[in-house]
Amino acid sequence: AQTVTQSQPEMSVQEAETVTLSCTYDTSESDYYLFWYKQPPSRQMILVIRQEAYKQQNATENRFSVNFQKAAKSFSLKISDSQLGDAAMYFCAYRSAGGSQGNLIFGKGTKLSVKP
Amino acid sequence: EPEVTQTPSHQVTQMGQEVILRCVPISNHLYFYWYRQILGQKVEFLVSFYNNEISEKSEIFDDQFSVERPDGSNFTLKIRSTKLEDSAMYFCASNLEPFSNTEAFFGQGTRLTVV
Repeated sequence: AQTVTQSQPEMSVQEAETVTLSCTYDTSESDYYLFWYKQPPSRQMILVIRQEAYKQQNATENRFSVNFQKAAKSFSLKISDSQLGDAAMYFCAYRSAGGSQGNLIFGKGTKLSVKP
Repeated sequence: EPEVTQTPSHQVTQMGQEVILRCVPISNHLYFYWYRQILGQKVEFLVSFYNNEISEKSEIFDDQFSVERPDGSNFTLKIRSTKLEDSAMYFCASNLEPFSNTEAFFGQGTRLTVV
């Protein structure tokens, strides 16, 4: 079975600085998708960024980028120029590419605080 | 922008009572999910639903749980006889087609408190 581990329960960053959230996963599959979801206090989970395992190039979305290391099974999220609105819970998630109905496997989350 | 909506946002119920959590997925989506997040723990998959039937379920989804799509728009999760340990946030999600990198959209959650 696949597992996702987020080893940082809480992180803090100064506004305008850069922070990296860690995520590792375990799988025997070769094809899968990885996601970072943001859950602000409003509770609704919002997709931040996604990565296909078959792509070597790291995904980027504006201030958000990932460092995907397939061999190491690592998928970290880097937030550049942190803003107050980035404060939230961040969940790393795994999804198989086939043989399932698309259910996501989540890590426990990292609570990010942004200091003004 | 399309969104998944869940009602109620918070429900308090007596142990042993039945509860129904409601979700309206995005209208053209075909796959629907329920997840649960016990306070301080990870978000856990409960069940997926496609073509009017359960397509996959976790070991958490035992006989006290059921899902249905009664009218083509609502997607409900019923807990027949609630236990204290059912207290959690319940999230509904929907996806157009999950066999690619398509995004699963989540609702804002229902906080269930069993007393």
